[in-house]
Amino acid sequence: QSVLTQPPSASGTPGQRVTISCSGSSSNIESNTVNWYQQFPGTAPKLLIYSTNQRPSGVPDRFSGSKSGTSASLAISGLQSEDEADYYCAAWDDSQRPVFGGGTKLTVL
Amino acid sequence: QVQLQESGPGLVKPSQTLSLTCTVSGGSISSGTYYWSWIRQPAGKGLEYIGRIYTSGSTNYNPSLKSRVTISVDTSKNQFSLKLSSATAADTAVYYCSREEYQVIYRKTYYYGMDVWGQGTTVTVSS
Repeated sequence: QSVLTQPPSASGTPGQRVTISCSGSSSNIESNTVNWYQQFPGTAPKLLIYSTNQRPSGVPDRFSGSKSGTSASLAISGLQSEDEADYYCAAWDDSQRPVFGGGTKLTVL
Repeated sequence: QVQLQESGPGLVKPSQTLSLTCTVSGGSISSGTYYWSWIRQPAGKGLEYIGRIYTSGSTNYNPSLKSRVTISVDTSKNQFSLKLSSATAADTAVYYCSREEYQVIYRKTYYYGMDVWGQGTTVTVSS
């Protein structure tokens, strides 16, 4: 049982805009920043968004993050086939540890 | 460019101690303001934080694993290590090491995401 709640799956067609939600609580998402990770099968997670809405160097601006209250979202615009992956949200908890969502499998139809 | 590499036995017997090492290359483990973590992922499941260590030696562990986990650092070897005692089949997973930058501003700590990960190592707990 993950501390943060994500939908298990999401899908979209090429070119479409897709959002993935992440629900938490006042002790994590509401009071701390959110990170998003992208993971392809058999590989390590890759930092996609940090500090809620910042992109590391090299991450396309098609990816964006936001949060409101106890929920956060990852938006992918101009969806591409290579975006098909698992996406995890994460946030620091007031218990001084990072907590993760259960992951969302994104399918590009 | 900093890289991380996990190493250790791929098979551990139940009740024994799972031991892994993460070697940092391309930079000093003592440089900058980073903490160094262990994360695991059972097959087909999500990510679970195990614990972290700062180069000062200060540690923090997931409460659900705290009684069985020890993370240590050897700055002379540019490595940090994980020991998980009394292993069971539930500890079977891919284990990752990672780093995350942090910054303390006006007594509040800000974290900037785990930007470097090892490739992961599969550990199976079985007799």
